[in-house]
Amino acid sequence: TQLLEQSPQFLSIQEGENLTVYCNSSSVFSSLQWYRQEPGEGPVLLVTVVTGGEVKKLKRLTFQFGDARKDSSLHITAAQPGDTGLYLCAGGTGAGSYQLTFGKGTKLSVIP
Amino acid sequence: DADVTQTPRNRITKTGKRIMLECSQTKGHDRMYWYRQDPGLGLRLIYYSFDVKDINKGEISDGYSVSRQAQAKFSLSLESAIPNQTALYFCATSAWAGGSYEQYFGPGTRLTVT
Repeated sequence: TQLLEQSPQFLSIQEGENLTVYCNSSSVFSSLQWYRQEPGEGPVLLVTVVTGGEVKKLKRLTFQFGDARKDSSLHITAAQPGDTGLYLCAGGTGAGSYQLTFGKGTKLSVIP
Repeated sequence: DADVTQTPRNRITKTGKRIMLECSQTKGHDRMYWYRQDPGLGLRLIYYSFDVKDINKGEISDGYSVSRQAQAKFSLSLESAIPNQTALYFCATSAWAGGSYEQYFGPGTRLTVT
């Protein structure tokens, strides 16, 4: 069974601060996806990284896939209250990453 | 309108009852999935389907069954509900995005078994 460990589990920060969320595994994944989930809603895809060492930026969010494709990080610059939510990483396996293994999530609260 | 819809959004049922959760999608995707989400355990895959005739068990299929009535519809059944099936249930579709399949989730069904 492939496991993805996310850290930290909870994070509470002030508006304007920077933060990093980590997603680690001992297994190799063909891709790594990050989702954000708000209360009462389903997860929404933020980004997919597929190449070891790949870095993608989405406004104030920076995503990195480890060189060995076993880990990933999400860095948020100057966090805003709208960034509050549950962040989930998911590792892809199978042809085309058709099956995802999810981490348990990082619950982020950004205080105004 | 939402691309992936789930009904009902909330359901309370008693132990031993049969219950069906329904999922419909307008995205035209062939692949559909059912997950459950529990606090502290994350999302776990119950069943997935690549098309109407191709249904596969996921990590935690015991106690559940599914039916793919059409490309757009994928239903999850609990034959005899038990309290530890209390959870949030999500349906998802997926499509190739040039590098990997990406998944699109419905809004979820909150199920409580008493």
